[in-house]
Amino acid sequence: NAGVMQNPRHLVRRRGQEARLRCSPMKGHSHVYWYRQLPEEGLKFMVYLQKENIIDESGMPKERFSAEFPKEGPSILRIQQVVRGDSAAYFCASSPHSDNEQFFGPGTRLTVL
Amino acid sequence: AQKITQTQPGMFVQEKEAVTLDCTYDTSDQSYGLFWYKQPSSGEMIFLIYQGSYDEQNATEGRYSLNFQKARKSANLVISASQLGDSAMYFCAMREGGAGGTSYGKLTFGQGTILTVHP
Repeated sequence: NAGVMQNPRHLVRRRGQEARLRCSPMKGHSHVYWYRQLPEEGLKFMVYLQKENIIDESGMPKERFSAEFPKEGPSILRIQQVVRGDSAAYFCASSPHSDNEQFFGPGTRLTVL
Repeated sequence: AQKITQTQPGMFVQEKEAVTLDCTYDTSDQSYGLFWYKQPSSGEMIFLIYQGSYDEQNATEGRYSLNFQKARKSANLVISASQLGDSAMYFCAMREGGAGGTSYGKLTFGQGTILTVHP
């Protein structure tokens, strides 16, 4: 059973470009969470999704950020018009139910030049 | 107030000795879960151990144990017989019960403790 997959592992964008981060949860997991880790800090919750639904997006910046988890395919975290402050590691986690432990992917390290 | 507090930015331990990493939490929920994750220099997040608020026994997983003191709202991680490979950042995290008493998964993390194991 493959673990949580994230791609790309490293992403470099120039200011103003778009970043698309993908997350494939573990098989049988329908709950997906996105977290952001700024340098030298702990992880901060961004958004929680189930298939085709956003359950909680209280940690998402109001502008430029969006997330989806379609019926088919991976979950996508999209950042439009990236700025230097978006440089961080973005982790995706999945679980079979909301009250199980979450298994994390390897993260995508976004660098904005 | 911080929901999860890890007061030790860095800890050092001699190989083969035990070490305790502190974690205190703040919640008004009756139902919650406490987690510890390890983040080595390679960056991935590795789940170590889980304690539910209603669990009467302290959780153990191999060399990891969780010293859960509910009244003091602390959930310290104890690593016995430290190994060089234990050198990493360690995060304590909490999942609180959602509306209606149904836990819904979102984790709140502490700032982390960097553990260095000396040979």
